[in-house]
Amino acid sequence: SAVISQKPSRDICQRGTSLTIQCQVDSQVTMMFWYRQQPGQSLTLIATANQGSEATYESGFVIDKFPISRPNLTFSTLTVSNMSPEDSSIYLCSASWGGYNEQFFGPGTRLTVL
Amino acid sequence: AQSVTQLDSHVSVSEGTPVLLRCNYSSSYSPSLFWYVQHPNKGLQLLLKYTSAATLVKGINGFEAEFKKSETSFHLTKPSAHMSDAAEYFCVVSENPNNAGNMLTFGGGTRLMVKP
Repeated sequence: SAVISQKPSRDICQRGTSLTIQCQVDSQVTMMFWYRQQPGQSLTLIATANQGSEATYESGFVIDKFPISRPNLTFSTLTVSNMSPEDSSIYLCSASWGGYNEQFFGPGTRLTVL
Repeated sequence: AQSVTQLDSHVSVSEGTPVLLRCNYSSSYSPSLFWYVQHPNKGLQLLLKYTSAATLVKGINGFEAEFKKSETSFHLTKPSAHMSDAAEYFCVVSENPNNAGNMLTFGGGTRLMVKP
């Protein structure tokens, strides 16, 4: 496994603003992912962050709302744009290594939108 | 397509008694299966995984799970619950046909409560 960190750990934001969440892994990884966990719910995959190319989004998630960057093999960002109270969730990044299909998760970013 | 159903949203046990968290899955391919645990205000931790080797899988903290293909089940058990086991548990399935990528599908979660 590896150490996966996220910044910020939590934030309270006003509606209409945007927040960028950072995910840093302490070793090079093959794949990185972003998930959303709404209050009291399970995890839903937002997108796969592809190194050097556009992220692959799941149904119901679009790039304009959740732009993602992955400039190298250890770092990714997720931006939650034009936020509304419905975006209040925990956002988690995860990483996996080639040949292994388990994912390891960061601690999450708890977002509250007022 | 893959899916996971955790049959109980809440399970309550007394400390020292056995734990059973039930999970059924659906998969078009030979799946990999995982159990993750999420303690309050913490990230997810991998408890154990099944990847087509031994059907009885042992994980951390005394947990184990048995893959039963005929029943499409992957139930999580522990002989004796500890107070520190109180958490949310997620059963997860992964399909990786043609090494196209390890997409995870999460079950709805089971909240385990442990009474003193």
